Amino acid sequence: SYELTQPPSVSVSPGQTASITCSGDKLGDKYACWYQQKPGQSPVLVIHQDTKRPSGIPDRFSGSNSGNTATLTISGTQAMDEADYYCQAWDSSTAVFGGGTKLTVL
Amino acid sequence: QVTLRESGPALVKPTQTLTLTCSFSGFSLTTVGKCVSWIRQPPGKALEWLARIDWDDGEYYSTSLRTRLTISKDTSKNQVVLSMTNMDPVDSASYYCAQTSKSSTGDYAFHVWGQGTMVTVSS
Repeated sequence: SYELTQPPSVSVSPGQTASITCSGDKLGDKYACWYQQKPGQSPVLVIHQDTKRPSGIPDRFSGSNSGNTATLTISGTQAMDEADYYCQAWDSSTAVFGGGTKLTVL
Repeated sequence: QVTLRESGPALVKPTQTLTLTCSFSGFSLTTVGKCVSWIRQPPGKALEWLARIDWDDGEYYSTSLRTRLTISKDTSKNQVVLSMTNMDPVDSASYYCAQTSKSSTGDYAFHVWGQGTMVTVSS
């Protein structure tokens, strides 16, 4: 079965750029989505179709996807961005999530 | 405004069948490109996709759970129902339904999520 691999944790200082990677076999041939989940809350879509931001998502969130790796980039990271982030893609009509990355802003 | 709300039992016994209902508003499952998915998350663990039902009656299931899952819809009531048989304590999780939309390029994303409902499997 298809697997997506994320680093368990990423740390970033306020105002700096955070990058969270998601690796999977030929992931660049698929579309990647990214979801943000804060403690006790439901996930929120922040990036879809590799690079698109839903309305209401700040433009400091951006995405890319090429080769075997998709990347979520948060520019000018704010304390409110501290959360778990999950990548997701479809493979053979089934959705696959990565294991999640805890972003710490310190 | 799209909203979804999950409902169902908070506690089920091992071997029982779990039935969850997703009630939604702000869109119709008769609209081309609209779908509803179920996703679960055990406490402290990652998200796991379970199933999706599409506007055209297409049904898609997690490979590992396919034999235990059934998804259905009632378009007149704006509801989607998920059934999971032979529940086990490892199935204890928060269960979410999410509006899923098909893009012009054929991709699907979980655009709006419900608040989730916690299900505990215990005797």
